[in-house]
Amino acid sequence: EAGVTQFPSHSVIEKGQTVTLRCDPISGHDNLYWYRRVMGKEIKFLLHFVKESKQDESGMPNNRFLAERTGGTYSTLKVQPAELEDSGVYFCASSQDLGGFGYNSPLHFGNGTRLTVT
Amino acid sequence: SQKIEQNSEALNIQEGKTATLTCNYTNYSPAYLQWYRQDPGRGPVFLLLIRENEKEKRKERLKVTFDTTLKQSLFHITASQPADSATYLCALDGSGSARQLTFGSGTQLTVLP
Repeated sequence: EAGVTQFPSHSVIEKGQTVTLRCDPISGHDNLYWYRRVMGKEIKFLLHFVKESKQDESGMPNNRFLAERTGGTYSTLKVQPAELEDSGVYFCASSQDLGGFGYNSPLHFGNGTRLTVT
Repeated sequence: SQKIEQNSEALNIQEGKTATLTCNYTNYSPAYLQWYRQDPGRGPVFLLLIRENEKEKRKERLKVTFDTTLKQSLFHITASQPADSATYLCALDGSGSARQLTFGSGTQLTVLP
């Protein structure tokens, strides 16, 4: 089984530029999540998709961040325009509902995209 | 406000000993708690999940306990090996959404040969 893949693994951009991160979840996983870790902090939730629908986007920091999951397969996270404080590691994760206990499904994480805004 | 604390940033133990990591939380009533392992440059890898009505869960050399009265989880690795060296993260379901995990800052475990 192929794992969660993220692209690119690293990105260095200047303040004010736009960056788009991509996540390919494990095939068949309806749930897709974005998390991020900024320097010295804990991993924080950004948002959750169920198929192509945003289930919870309460963790998105502001309207410079836009996530999409067209067709319910891969997802993109766009930061426009990027600011210095957006630097960090962005993780994507997916999970499979297991009947009525779907919320207990463990998350499968990708290796993250390290974003550096200069 | 809700808070998760993992007992120490770094823990060094001798190979063969049991490593015990602590996760304390305040202002939460989590339905479940998960433990993940993270290696440098990699994403977290799921290890164990324990529900609020479970006291203990085991998997091979790993054991997790969950005390909702103390608001604490203990994570044990028995017969530790240098390959167990990594950062271990506890994660709880956040308020309002059982699918939104809140992570602790992690404990970096080093098992010395």
